[in-house]
Amino acid sequence: QSALTQPPSASGSPGQSVTISCTGISSDVGDYKYVSWYQQHPGKAPKFLIYEVTKRPSGVPDRFSGSSSGNTASLTVSGLQPEDEADYYCFSYAGNNKGVFGGGTKLTVL
Amino acid sequence: EVQLVESGGGLVQPGGSLRLSCAASGFTVNTNYMSWVRLAPGKGLEWVSIIYSGGDTFYADSVQGRFTLSRHNSNNTLFLQMNNLRPEDTAVYYCARAYCSSAGCYPWYFDYWGQGTLVTVSS
Repeated sequence: QSALTQPPSASGSPGQSVTISCTGISSDVGDYKYVSWYQQHPGKAPKFLIYEVTKRPSGVPDRFSGSSSGNTASLTVSGLQPEDEADYYCFSYAGNNKGVFGGGTKLTVL
Repeated sequence: EVQLVESGGGLVQPGGSLRLSCAASGFTVNTNYMSWVRLAPGKGLEWVSIIYSGGDTFYADSVQGRFTLSRHNSNNTLFLQMNNLRPEDTAVYYCARAYCSSAGCYPWYFDYWGQGTLVTVSS
């Protein structure tokens, strides 16, 4: 299974919005809509942010939102805060009882 | 409170074996979907393996035939037996629990993660 494609980096100033894309193929992102997003700070475990493309688990601020179009899912972080600086990963079910992560995007808050 | 604690990592030579453990508390491992995910140095997260609540196991192509995922119900512990290790298996290994809501459990979303255990494969 090939990794989903994410931009290696993204940046924004405090208060701004930034969107991170995650492009797959029809047999993962396009077909299953089982896309989730994770935030990871250096040396820490990943944190669950978004599931089923657009849904937020309890406790995740509504500054984090998800969307999709065709084979591309997106994570938008609104009202950027310094603590949002982290690596962000998308993940999708890829069929045949396997999963695949995106390559990760390093978000810098300027 | 849900907690996952991994252990068993260390330095091993290429071709060697290690068994990782993931001790769970606050929920029952054998009624949940559980996965292993790894983070290699300078690289991104990689899904490794999943065990379904019914006991079926599945693996990434990169570890198929070398890694075996199992669980010990009475100890509430998950295991990852890793054989024929390669330098490219060097990574921090995390165990993760599948997300469950009032609507059910979703095997491919991971809400709780352990702190990880480092595996280094080198001569």
